[in-house]
Amino acid sequence: EVQLVESGGGLVQPGRSLKLSCAASGFTFSNYYMAWVRQAPKKGLEWVATISTSGSRTYYPDSVKGRFTISRDNAKSSLYLQMNSLKSEDTATYYCARQRSSEGFDYWGQGVMVTVSS
Amino acid sequence: DTVLTQSPALAVSPGERVSISCRASEGVNSYMHWYQQKPGQQPKLLIYKASNLASGVPARFSGSGSGTDFTLTIDPVEADDTATYFCQQSWNDPYTFGAGTKLELK
Repeated sequence: EVQLVESGGGLVQPGRSLKLSCAASGFTFSNYYMAWVRQAPKKGLEWVATISTSGSRTYYPDSVKGRFTISRDNAKSSLYLQMNSLKSEDTATYYCARQRSSEGFDYWGQGVMVTVSS
Repeated sequence: DTVLTQSPALAVSPGERVSISCRASEGVNSYMHWYQQKPGQQPKLLIYKASNLASGVPARFSGSGSGTDFTLTIDPVEADDTATYFCQQSWNDPYTFGAGTKLELK
């Protein structure tokens, strides 16, 4: 059974940093692209980052480019999201998701809440 | 960015057929995917690449379309289908999602 379990969320002040983690199990982690998708309270979904199987390629929308860094450790079947210079608009539930090439996000974690507030 | 437009809400009776639309501001080929999200839960992939049923998804769900106009159909609708449905494109950078269609059962 595919499982994705996020951790590391919490309350953080504007301008500070936070690092999210996602522990994967039930599949060969190194064979899949992985991604982070977020959802602001009562809002829609926003893609945040994608990383290739080896970690050599990363992709971001302009809203987080230069502030967020996605990374992975295939030996530990783990995905990470380093978030710097956080803003109030980054407040959201962050989901770790498995990405099947260009076929959508086929498995999602339960999500972890990040609140950016002073 | 590619804007995906969905109708905000629909209400149908159990046993009926419902079609949920998603219109893209520019062509996305067939790279449109559909997700179901129930309150307090993570999204679940229903349809990938416009018309392919994801693993474990009931055949009551189907998808169609290409280019800019896409449709998710549920036939027949069941009470458990109460949820918000999102479309998402992966043809243009950045990936984008629609705002979601909230499906309510009468």
